[in-house]
Amino acid sequence: EIVLTQSPATLSLSPGERATLSCRASQSVTSYLVWYQQKPGQAPRLLIYDASNRATGIPARFTGSGSGTDFTLTISSLEPEDFAVYYCHQRSDWPLTFGGGTKVEL
Amino acid sequence: ELQLSESGGGLVQPGGSLRLSCAASGFTFSMYDMSWVRQAPGKGLEWVSVISADGGSTYYADSVQGRFTISRDNTKNTLFLQMNSLRGEDTAVYYCARQSRTARCWDHWGQGALVTVSS
Repeated sequence: EIVLTQSPATLSLSPGERATLSCRASQSVTSYLVWYQQKPGQAPRLLIYDASNRATGIPARFTGSGSGTDFTLTISSLEPEDFAVYYCHQRSDWPLTFGGGTKVEL
Repeated sequence: ELQLSESGGGLVQPGGSLRLSCAASGFTFSMYDMSWVRQAPGKGLEWVSVISADGGSTYYADSVQGRFTISRDNTKNTLFLQMNSLRGEDTAVYYCARQSRTARCWDHWGQGALVTVSS
């Protein structure tokens, strides 16, 4: 099973600041890495697929990068609606797995 | 408008059974692989099961293999999850999710159904 480790667990920032979230895989997932955003009481929302492709309607301030085992989600300038939990997810191998999440808090 | 709507959640005793449904609308359901993903209270996401568009292929997480069965009725645009021999650790919000046809990701999710396993 591919284990995804996200860091940090919590990121305390202010609106307008830059957020850098990390996801490390226990073995290569090539570029099959996905990022989801989840707000309290809501379903996850697709942000980034194939490591660096923004989903439809996702603002340009969200950028995904990386390949192999190391991936980064960058939010260039936090908006109030960006405070949420972010999960990485690998689609390279079964079973499909998620990271433990990074909470971006105010 | 594309919608996925889960139903069938509730309180069940350990060892009991429950069947979740996910009603799909706004897209051609029969063309998409579908999955169930769950989230225990205050915890992260866990993939549970996937079914191919025609229902011919299914996969399960080890944690539910042999106890849960995923199925679909393409004539009624509905996805199912039959859950047997339920345990406390199965307590979670269960989401149905649509597999993108152009990328390896789930591009649309339902709002979730809460399943509580407790005596």
